[in-house]
Amino acid sequence: GQQLNQSPQSMFIQEGEDVSMNCTSSSIFNTWLWYKQDPGEGPVLLIALYKAGELTSNGRLTAQFGITRKDSFLNISASIPSDVGIYFCAGQPQGGSEKLVFGKGMKLTVNP
Amino acid sequence: DAGITQSPRYKITETGRQVTLMCHQTWSHSYMFWYRQDLGHGLRLIYYSAAADITDKGEVPDGYVVSRSKTENFPLTLESATRSQTSVYFCASSPPYNEQFFGPGTRLTVL
Repeated sequence: GQQLNQSPQSMFIQEGEDVSMNCTSSSIFNTWLWYKQDPGEGPVLLIALYKAGELTSNGRLTAQFGITRKDSFLNISASIPSDVGIYFCAGQPQGGSEKLVFGKGMKLTVNP
Repeated sequence: DAGITQSPRYKITETGRQVTLMCHQTWSHSYMFWYRQDLGHGLRLIYYSAAADITDKGEVPDGYVVSRSKTENFPLTLESATRSQTSVYFCASSPPYNEQFFGPGTRLTVL
């Protein structure tokens, strides 16, 4: 089936640093979503992107829908300890499928 | 409160037993989904439902059964639990062709 390549798989950063992660696919996607999962909880939607080239911010988070519709990135600026968690990208493939394809996640550790 | 809830949050059972995991959403979303999350595999879709009485298989449906008699409920049943079904199970809901919202998860251990 379709897969999303999410990189890096993990990052260790110092509080205050910026972090960037991305997701790529060999297929075209209509929607890109970014989720965060805290330990013991379900994924929580951070940002949703619907148009190629779209750049959306949510506080310290910024995400973009790639022009080719095959990639997306998420930036976190000025990281804080509560940013710790696993970040997942997800996409709705072209063709109108209601099913999402998920990346395997990036584990973020923030050292105070 | 509006949202999506799952019960139980934790469950320990034995091999061969039947187990039902419950999912309830108050948004009246048409679509509902069941995923399992395992280390190294990420989130994998088990079953999904487009509306009441409409269900379809996902990536890993074997050993699971679902039903959806009401829009707000989407129970997942393990008919005869196996150790390989030890996992964290997440339910999600969404309006058509839109973002999915996840429940808090059920951690299932099969001994």
